[in-house]
Amino acid sequence: SQTIHQWPATLVQPVGSPLSLECTVEGTSNPNLYWYRQAAGRGLQLLFYSVGIGQISSEVPQNLSASRPQDRQFILSSKKLLLSDSGFYLCAWRSREGGEKLFFGSGTQLSVL
Amino acid sequence: GQSLEQPSEVTAVEGAIVQINCTYQTSGFYGLSWYQQHDGGAPTFLSYNALDGLEETGRFSSFLSRSDSYGYLLLQELQMKDSASYFCAVKGGGGFKTIFGAGTRLFVKA
Repeated sequence: SQTIHQWPATLVQPVGSPLSLECTVEGTSNPNLYWYRQAAGRGLQLLFYSVGIGQISSEVPQNLSASRPQDRQFILSSKKLLLSDSGFYLCAWRSREGGEKLFFGSGTQLSVL
Repeated sequence: GQSLEQPSEVTAVEGAIVQINCTYQTSGFYGLSWYQQHDGGAPTFLSYNALDGLEETGRFSSFLSRSDSYGYLLLQELQMKDSASYFCAVKGGGGFKTIFGAGTRLFVKA
């Protein structure tokens, strides 16, 4: 069966510090991978998606970047965090063979202070 | 681009039926999905409509009208555990992207 791992669960970082959030998927190959951000009580904002190794599409100009160094690994990074980067970050995957369902990781609650 | 509109909050009584509406604007529409999210948790998939009509999955049903760019999620026999946020989402962008609405917070009262 397929599983998605996302860590850490919570993170408190000072303004100006770097960020690295990692997501890995097991039990599937060639997944489409996604990073979403959710502000408290709000909807999910698509940040990045990837359809293959090294292929990253950015949806929103921002202080963040993403990389996909391996087929089932997706990393969200920042060189210098801003207060506005605080939020709930969710990684998700979808099968390349069609199907609609997005499978989400358990999320990372990031607080930038 | 894509945009979706859904009510921010809905309140209903345990055992009742509630309908959550969603209107959307998008280019290259593939289908409308619904997700449930409990506080502090990750969204989980409920249903998907690619064609017009009603799809039923247990107590939950979802409807789509492509000509009206409209859909709804119907929850029957409401239970307290159904208190959560519900998001409609459209698949567009060449079939790769899923864009979410702002969510509807459902409160189920005893």
